[in-house]
Amino acid sequence: NAGVTQTPKFRILKIGQSMTLQCTQDMNHNYMYWYRQDPGMGLKLIYYSVGAGITDKGEVPNGYNVSRSTTEDFPLRLELAAPSQTSVYFCASVPTGGRRGSELYGYTFGSGTRLTVV
Amino acid sequence: KNEVEQSPQNLTAQEGEFITINCSYSVGISALHWLQQHPGGGIVSLFMLSSGKKKHGRLIATINIQEKHSSLHITASHPRDSAVYICAVRKTSGSRLTFGEGTQLTVNP
Repeated sequence: NAGVTQTPKFRILKIGQSMTLQCTQDMNHNYMYWYRQDPGMGLKLIYYSVGAGITDKGEVPNGYNVSRSTTEDFPLRLELAAPSQTSVYFCASVPTGGRRGSELYGYTFGSGTRLTVV
Repeated sequence: KNEVEQSPQNLTAQEGEFITINCSYSVGISALHWLQQHPGGGIVSLFMLSSGKKKHGRLIATINIQEKHSSLHITASHPRDSAVYICAVRKTSGSRLTFGEGTQLTVNP
């Protein structure tokens, strides 16, 4: 299994440009997340999805959009790139967000996308 | 105040030393995760804890639910252990993780 695949790994955007960060998982996980990581800061949740067709905002959603048309794919869209969106972006997935009996499931992270907006 | 606090922020050790990284949290949780992030690399899940203690090779993770505290120990540290170690909690109210800021560990040969 490939796990969680993110593309691209690196990207430089000019202010005002748009782009889509791709995230695909092949583990049939229900829950998927987009995080950003700024230097010296903990990861912050941008958007998340609990299943196909369902998305919700996280802590820092402004300037981003997502969609979840299939279980596998969870793309993150930047419409008008701004320097404040320079960051490293991580996608993650987990089989279920809830507790099932005494079992708790682990998260799988993608390798990250390093985005610079100039 | 952050809901998840890690200490220390930076830690430098000599190869072979016993290392402890601490995580304190102020919310009710259903699970606590320890993650490892290598320079320029992705994030790997090391442990997921809801009680007690887990061991994997030279890594040991403990959690004290009453004290809202967890520790990650590395025995016989090695330069390849150099990485950022991140504590994250899943609150009892949902599926989302709240992250600490990470501990940068450098192990010198």
